Amino acid sequence: DQQVKQNSPSLSVQEGRISILNCDYTNSMFDYFLWYKKYPAEGPTFLISISSIKDKNEDGRFTVFLNKSAKHLSLHIVPSQPGDSAVYFCAASDDNDMRFGAGTRLTVKP
Amino acid sequence: EAGVAQSPRYKIIEKRQSVAFWCNPISGHATLYWYQQILGQGPKLLIQFQNNGVVDDSQLPKDRFSAERLKGVDSTLKIQPAKLEDSAVYLCASSLALAGAQETQYFGPGTRLLVL
Repeated sequence: DQQVKQNSPSLSVQEGRISILNCDYTNSMFDYFLWYKKYPAEGPTFLISISSIKDKNEDGRFTVFLNKSAKHLSLHIVPSQPGDSAVYFCAASDDNDMRFGAGTRLTVKP
Repeated sequence: EAGVAQSPRYKIIEKRQSVAFWCNPISGHATLYWYQQILGQGPKLLIQFQNNGVVDDSQLPKDRFSAERLKGVDSTLKIQPAKLEDSAVYLCASSLALAGAQETQYFGPGTRLLVL
């Protein structure tokens, strides 16, 4: 069962532009959402999170938006840099479980 | 602060052989997770420990997979016997406190398993 979906397997943007990565979930019990970034041959690293009591969380160039009614979250990276090229996983959790999306491969071109 | 350590990093075995992976979580982290990540998919939770007790092993194929965390620190995951479809990256993660409840998980580099 795919409770967390990232429908875009890949995204390519130009350096300096905005990258928008999207994620949808189906379980309304999820109340905490995270984005992880993964480089080849490394484990996922935590990037940013948001609680369901908020609709926006910002950390430097990274902003996560949560639309609870649509069960949708997005990660904005502004401005995008070549070092941001990686696979980005969104994750959603409740008290008992965390589910990951399949990931979106972001390529930032110089 | 040292991160989550895993070994080996790579393993190639033939089907029906046995294999074991080791994980040492971040010091002081009570919760430890093992994930299986098949190529092109997100990590799938296999088992979750709270100290040395199992919290969730509902997605662990118990006929061939086993895991333990005897002293509540490091953990081993074993596959016996391996099947071709077990080829994946096995990720270990740890978090500071209770499972769920808005805890950030910190991942190790993973063990890439290829079953021939």
